Amino acid sequence: NAGVTQTPKFQVLKTGQSMTLQCAQDMNHNSMYWYRQDPGMGLRLIYYSASEGTTDKGEVPNGYNVSRLNKREFSLRLESAAPSQTSVYFCASRKRTGNYNEQFFGPGTRLTVL
Amino acid sequence: GENVEQHPSTLSVQEGDSAVIKCTYSDSASNYFPWYKQELGKRPQLIIDIRSNVGEKKDQRIAVTLNKTAKHFSLHITETQPEDSAVYFCAAAYSGAGSYQLTFGKGTKLSVIP
Repeated sequence: NAGVTQTPKFQVLKTGQSMTLQCAQDMNHNSMYWYRQDPGMGLRLIYYSASEGTTDKGEVPNGYNVSRLNKREFSLRLESAAPSQTSVYFCASRKRTGNYNEQFFGPGTRLTVL
Repeated sequence: GENVEQHPSTLSVQEGDSAVIKCTYSDSASNYFPWYKQELGKRPQLIIDIRSNVGEKKDQRIAVTLNKTAKHFSLHITETQPEDSAVYFCAAAYSGAGSYQLTFGKGTKLSVIP
C-alpha cells in the first residue's frame, strides 16, 4: 500500500514550457486534491475532484488545468509555466470516516520556473 | 468562504516546556478541525483532529480544544521534545453532503531548543 504517490519529485522549467504533474492513490478514495505551498502562505487549493469524472476550481486555479483520469489518478497541467508558479505542489486524497474528512498527502513535487 | 487565521507564525520553546498554537475560523458551519505537522522537506501529516460535537481531545502529549461560540481552536503540546520541531497547520471544514474542502491556516514554525 503506497498511499499517495507523485511524480516527478523535482522539476526545473523555463518560462513558457508546459508539463504535467502526476498523482496516484491506491487507497480507493473518491476525492483528490492539488495544493501549492509557498513560504508563509500555507497550503492553497488549486483544484479538486470530488469523485471520478468531476473537477472543481479551488482558491488559486489560474494557469492550471486538471484531469481525473480514473479513480486512482489525478493530474495537474501547467500549459505555459510562469515564474510565479515556482512552488511545492502536493497532491492529496480524502478518506471519508463517517461524515468527516481526513486528507492524506503525497510527498510533493518541487517545481522551479526560470 | 471559510477563512482561517493562525498565530503565532513562529514559536520557540525550551525542551520540556509547553507550546500553544491558536487558530480562528470564520464560517460557523465548519465542524471539522484537523491539525497537520510538516517536518522539513516532508509531506503534511495529520496528528490530531476534533469534531464540533466535542470541546477537547487528547492524544498523549498533544491536545486540541475547540470553542465553537468564539470560533477558535488551539493545539497544545506538553513536555516538548526536539522532534516536535516542525511547521504545524490548522484547518477547518464543513463536512457534510457535497462538501469536500479543507481551508488551512498559514502555519506555525515551532522550534524546540534542547
